[in-house]
Amino acid sequence: EAGVVQSPRYKIIEKKQPVAFWCNPISGHNTLYWYRQNLGQGPELLIRYENEEAVDDSQLPKDRFSAERLKGVDSTLKIQPAELGDSAVYLCASSSTGGDTQYFGPGTRLTVL
Amino acid sequence: RKEVEQDPGPFNVPEGATVAFNCTYSNSASQSFFWYRQDCRKEPKLLMSVYSSGNEDGRFTAQLNRASQYISLLIRDSKLSDSATYLCVVEYGNKLVFGAGTILRVKS
Repeated sequence: EAGVVQSPRYKIIEKKQPVAFWCNPISGHNTLYWYRQNLGQGPELLIRYENEEAVDDSQLPKDRFSAERLKGVDSTLKIQPAELGDSAVYLCASSSTGGDTQYFGPGTRLTVL
Repeated sequence: RKEVEQDPGPFNVPEGATVAFNCTYSNSASQSFFWYRQDCRKEPKLLMSVYSSGNEDGRFTAQLNRASQYISLLIRDSKLSDSATYLCVVEYGNKLVFGAGTILRVKS
């Protein structure tokens, strides 16, 4: 069974540029999460989707970050404009509805210069 | 105060050693508890859930003390392949909160 797929794996951009990350969860998983992991820290939740609905976006910096999961399957996270402090690994995870276990994708390592 | 606190380490141990990691959490309403493992430049993966009665999976034993809001992980007979960062994770309100992780280095 395929795991969570993310692309790109690496992205280097200059500050003030836009960037987008894509995630395809495990087939059948209705819950999708976006996390940000800074160096030496644990992942921090940015947004959680149940199907196409964002049920927890309290930690998403809405001035520059946006996300969508239009058909309740794959999802895109966007940053516009990027700042130096946005350099981090952006992880996508999915789980079945009501399931405890979250399965993570390999992440996108973003470097903002 | 951080919601989930761990000793960052690193813990440098020889092969075959027993090593224990501790974790404290601040929210008494927390419902579920886990240990995740993260290899260098890889994604976190679930190692084991943690139950109030304590649970064991091979060389790994996890314990939960709700009264003290304290979680532990014990690794017996350490292997080189156990070298990784171990993340303590607490769930409440359908949200996972991760600690910063404890680095383990097992050396031959």
